[in-house]
This record gives sequence, C-alpha cells and structure tokens, in this order.
Amino acid sequence: DGGITQSPKYLFRKEGQNVTLSCEQNLNHDAMYWYRQDPGQGLRLIYYSQIVNDFQKGDIAEGYSVSREKKESFPLTVTSAQKNPTAFYLCASSGSFDTQYFGPGTRLTVL
Amino acid sequence: GESVGLHLPTLSVQEGDNSIINCAYSNSASDYFIWYKQESGKGPQFIIDIRSNMDKRQGQRVTVLLNKTVKHLSLQIAATQPGDSAVYFCAENWAIKAAGNKLTFGGGTRVLVKP
Repeated sequence: DGGITQSPKYLFRKEGQNVTLSCEQNLNHDAMYWYRQDPGQGLRLIYYSQIVNDFQKGDIAEGYSVSREKKESFPLTVTSAQKNPTAFYLCASSGSFDTQYFGPGTRLTVL
Repeated sequence: GESVGLHLPTLSVQEGDNSIINCAYSNSASDYFIWYKQESGKGPQFIIDIRSNMDKRQGQRVTVLLNKTVKHLSLQIAATQPGDSAVYFCAENWAIKAAGNKLTFGGGTRVLVKP
C-alpha cells in the first residue's frame, strides 16, 4: 500500500512541551512539505525539503523545526516557541517539479 | 504579495446539477495549477491539474479552464453527486530554481450538495 502516512492522527500537547509529528512516504519522492491548516482556512507552508539533509523555511516556520535524514521521512517538531500550535498539520510529497500529494493529517490540540 | 483566492466561499448545488468553482490568481509567473478536494478531517486529494500552456483540461466529470488573460481558473463538476460535498482548493505552483516547486493555496470553497 503506497502513499504518505502521518502519525499520530490526534495529538494533545501541554503548554511548554515539544511534540514531534511523523511523516513517511514510500513513493520515492524527492521533495517533502509540511503545511498548517487552521479551521476554515487554506494551507500555509511551514517547511519544505527538496533533498535529504537539506530543507528550507516556508512562510510560517517560526516555532517549528524539521529534519530530513532519510528520503522517506520528514518529521516536524512543534516547539514551545510556537505560541498557537493548535491546528491541523498536513504533510505532502512530490517528485521534482510535480504535483504534491498529501497525507491524512495530524490534528494537534494544546491543552 | 502574490496570492491565490476564491470568489465564493460556499456553493450549494442540487444533486445532478453542474457545479462551477472559481479561482483568481495573481502570480503571472505561475506555470501550473492544481485543484484539490478536501473532505472533513482528511488531507487534500488531487483532482486535476493544468499547465499554463493549456486553457482547458478534462477529467472524469471534471473540467478545469484556465484564462491567463484575466488570471482566472475554474473547476466544473458535471452531474454533482453527494460524494462531491467537500471543500475545494485551487493552488498555483511555480518552480523555484534550485529549490523545487512551491504551492500557494487559495482559501477554499465549500460545496454542499442538496439531495
């Protein structure tokens, strides 16, 4: 079963905690992306990576960090510096200069 | 700044009728446009795409039209079905040299299909 998987589906965080969201793809895509979606709104780019061991900030990178140690994996850490982390987080991947395909998302709630 | 936006936030459609969702874009350098469908609590699903050297592309029950003169694209859904109820996003894709592609999303249009 090919595609993009994200885990967990739901995540709860206490204020001041860091949490890491998982994103894995078996599509052999070079590029991977993280987006944030707030209720009733579109998607905003957090970070993206075109190749292993390289990544760039998107439009709203503050309070987030990523790593890209493997082609298949692009975990996102939501740090305590992110003041309003409650949102729906979406991971995507694409072949170079190609359509982005999305995972099922992780809903993060701060308690 | 550059942006992609939608004219209608909510569209109510009778089952069996055709739906038209509109989208305006402002980045004249965009070379590729995508429509996504997002059901509640799920990730966006690719519907159809179109490159800037085309003005029309058809899929199964869907057609995308691109008017570069007025920077407008639309998604037409034929014979709308209850399963078409979702939020639809347009996105523009422009290549960043040496840094890959990047999507800019519009705010989305909710389509409600009435039985």
